[in-house]
Amino acid sequence: KAGVTQTPRYLIKTRGQQVTLSCSPISGHRSVSWYQQTPGQGLQFLFEYFSETQRNKGNFPGRFSGRQFSNSRSEMNVSTLELGDSALYLCASSPPDRTNYGYTFGSGTRLTVV
Amino acid sequence: AQTVTQSQPEMSVQEAETVTLSCTYDTSESDYYLFWYKQPPSRQMILVIRQEAYKQQNATENRFSVNFQKAAKSFSLKISDSQLGDAAMYFCAYRRRSGNTPLVFGKGTRLSVIA
Repeated sequence: KAGVTQTPRYLIKTRGQQVTLSCSPISGHRSVSWYQQTPGQGLQFLFEYFSETQRNKGNFPGRFSGRQFSNSRSEMNVSTLELGDSALYLCASSPPDRTNYGYTFGSGTRLTVV
Repeated sequence: AQTVTQSQPEMSVQEAETVTLSCTYDTSESDYYLFWYKQPPSRQMILVIRQEAYKQQNATENRFSVNFQKAAKSFSLKISDSQLGDAAMYFCAYRRRSGNTPLVFGKGTRLSVIA
């Protein structure tokens, strides 16, 4: 069974640009969550999508957005990049009955903003 | 808001020895889940062990076990017979059982294993 796949693994972008990250969940998983990981702030929740609808949102500015497609794949977009957006972005998926299983995480996308 | 605190930024252990990583959390809920995740250099967060708050029995998974003290809001992870492959960042996480709430993570503990 394939795991959670995140692409690309590494990205370097310039301040002011925008970026799109992709996450393919485990087959059968309908919930996809995104987290930002930085050395200073640790892991912070961005948003969660379930059946193409945003179900939960963290405390991030509107420059951070996401969506989910009918096949449960999800993308997150960051517009007008800032240096502080440099981070590891982790995606996690969970099955419909998610409470017992936590989440299965991907290996993340390392975004560097220069 | 729920918070998770890991007071040990770094720990080290000799190979084959036992180490305990600490975690405390703050919540007003009575029904929730607690997790320990491992993040090796490959960056993928791997679920090590989970505990359901309504179960008094401490969870165990092979060499990994927890000491869950609900009244004290403490959830420590014990790693027995430590192996070089155990070297990683370890994150404690909390999630309320009801509702669509996300995982709340601690800041992590970096574990080094000395050969």
